[in-house]
Amino acid sequence: NAGVTQTPKFQVLKTGQSMTLQCAQDMNHNSMYWYRQDPGMGLRLIYYSASEGTTDKGEVPNGYNVSRLNKREFSLRLESAAPSQTSVYFCASSLGSQDTQYFGPGTRLTVL
Amino acid sequence: SQKIEQNSEALNIQEGKTATLTCNYTNYSPAYLQWYRQDPGRGPVFLLLIRENEKEKRKERLKVTFDTTLKQSLFHITASQPADSATYLCALGGYNTDKLIFGTGTRLQVFP
Repeated sequence: NAGVTQTPKFQVLKTGQSMTLQCAQDMNHNSMYWYRQDPGMGLRLIYYSASEGTTDKGEVPNGYNVSRLNKREFSLRLESAAPSQTSVYFCASSLGSQDTQYFGPGTRLTVL
Repeated sequence: SQKIEQNSEALNIQEGKTATLTCNYTNYSPAYLQWYRQDPGRGPVFLLLIRENEKEKRKERLKVTFDTTLKQSLFHITASQPADSATYLCALGGYNTDKLIFGTGTRLQVFP
């Protein structure tokens, strides 16, 4: 099992450009999450999906959209990137509530 | 709003000693608490989960305590090794929600 995979690993964007971060899990998990991690701020939840077909906002959803394409895949889209979105983005999945979260390797995004 | 505090300063200890990391929280009544390990450039990896009705949990050289009166969890690594050097994150989970709230993490450095 690959666990949680994320693409790309690194990305540089110019302000105003758009992009989609991809995440997939092969553990048949119900819940999936997108976090961003910034120095001194810790992991902050952007969006999550408790099951296929549902998505909910987390702590910092502004400037992002998500799609739970199927049970395996959960994508994060930046429609118009801003320098404040420079961060490391982690996708995670869990079987359900109160379960361990499994994290992907992260995407390091720089917005110039 | 909810707040989780972990010591932002790095903890430096000698190999063989016991490392103790602290996680304090306010304005929250968690159903459970999790500890994760994060190595540089990687996603967090789950270590232990302790529920609100449990005082202590052990796994090999790791021990976690949870005091809901003090609103504090302590994470202990006994007989520490240089390979234990990493950042350790605590995360709080609530009732009937998949969401976790993460602390900023404490960096542990174990020197020979």
